[in-house]
Amino acid sequence: DQQVKQNSPSLSVQEGRISILNCDYTNSMFDYFLWYKKYPAEGPTFLISISSIKDKNEDGRFTVFLNKSAKHLSLHIVPSQPGDSAVYFCAVYNTDKLIFGTGTRLQVFP
Amino acid sequence: DTEVTQTPKHLVMGMTNKKSLKCEQHMGHRAMYWYKQKAKKPPELMFVYSYEKLSINESVPSRFSPECPNSSLLNLHLHALQPEDSALYLCASSQLRTSGRHEQYFGPGTRLTVT
Repeated sequence: DQQVKQNSPSLSVQEGRISILNCDYTNSMFDYFLWYKKYPAEGPTFLISISSIKDKNEDGRFTVFLNKSAKHLSLHIVPSQPGDSAVYFCAVYNTDKLIFGTGTRLQVFP
Repeated sequence: DTEVTQTPKHLVMGMTNKKSLKCEQHMGHRAMYWYKQKAKKPPELMFVYSYEKLSINESVPSRFSPECPNSSLLNLHLHALQPEDSALYLCASSQLRTSGRHEQYFGPGTRLTVT
């Protein structure tokens, strides 16, 4: 049973525009959420996180939004750059574990 | 410095071999992790160490044997693996949960092929 879902396996965005990646989770008890970026043949790189006491967290071009009632979070990247092309995983923290979503492949084209 | 190193980068082993994967971090983290990632799938947790003690084993077969010799090092000993164990093995580290910070920092992984 998939506790963390990313329903879009891929997303294609033009350079300079906004990329929006979405993630849904099933358990309302989850209270800490993270986004990771992964290039091929590398480990995941931590991008940004948010705790359930907030609904928004911003770090440079990356903003994460949390909608607790909908059990939904999203990652906004503005402006998108070709170097952002990678697989993005959302993850939830659950008692020392990270549970990852299935990932969304983002391609940013010129 | 948020670097976690893993060796080797690639490993090919037969089903009767014994090999070890190594991981090292110098961030002062007291929690370390092993994950397994198959192609086109998310990373899946295998083991968690806190203060050099095994705290979580996600029902991993005994042919995988973790070891944490000290707070900076984590090993994964492999014996009698199956071809389906071929995957990318990722090591990660983090501060302890009491810190309130839950981000884990990953190494580049070891690409394991079992023949």
